[in-house]
Amino acid sequence: GENVEQHPSTLSVQEGDSAVIKCTYSDSASNYFPWYKQELGKRPQLIIDIRSNVGEKKDQRIAVTLNKTAKHFSLHITETQPEDSAVYFCAASKGSNYQLIWGAGTKLIIKP
Amino acid sequence: IAGITQAPTSQILAAGRRMTLRCTQDMRHNAMYWYRQDLGLGLRLIHYSNTAGTTGKGEVPDGYSVSRANTDDFPLTLASAVPSQTSVYFCASSTGSASTDTQYFGPGTRLTVL
Repeated sequence: GENVEQHPSTLSVQEGDSAVIKCTYSDSASNYFPWYKQELGKRPQLIIDIRSNVGEKKDQRIAVTLNKTAKHFSLHITETQPEDSAVYFCAASKGSNYQLIWGAGTKLIIKP
Repeated sequence: IAGITQAPTSQILAAGRRMTLRCTQDMRHNAMYWYRQDLGLGLRLIHYSNTAGTTGKGEVPDGYSVSRANTDDFPLTLASAVPSQTSVYFCASSTGSASTDTQYFGPGTRLTVL
């Protein structure tokens, strides 16, 4: 079955710098890759997603890139701000049963 | 529009007791899910339902049961709670269309089993 690995488990960056979180997946049939942000004590919320027919997608300070050949996708956050501090989860799906396979999460810490 | 709601917000339960966590969505989503999230860990799928009247087992189904009598509701039952079921439980839903699997989460239920 599908397996999603996420790195690093913890990432600490200076405010204003960029942060990159990487995920790899095992099933080449996967075609949908969302990223969720979970603030402390809150529910996970979708921040950006990408489908397999697209290589890159941007939304203001966040972007996601997908390399289908290498089977990995990454979340990029530029000009990080204190409110970016949270746990970020990647996931993958191939749409056959509507289930998402989740990465283990990355705790992003923004240092002032 | 409320989206997806869960009840109770939190609960302390004695071991051996029966407990049902409620989940309701008003988005007319076909698919619904139950996850547990333990401290420092990711989301683990307990059970899911692709459409009303059907359910399936996820990664950690033991000790839990679900039902899906209609589109809106997806209750999770712990027949005889044990301390290892102490966790935060999230319900989620998605359209159930192959074109998108975006899942929308409820606010969670924090359950403590003593």
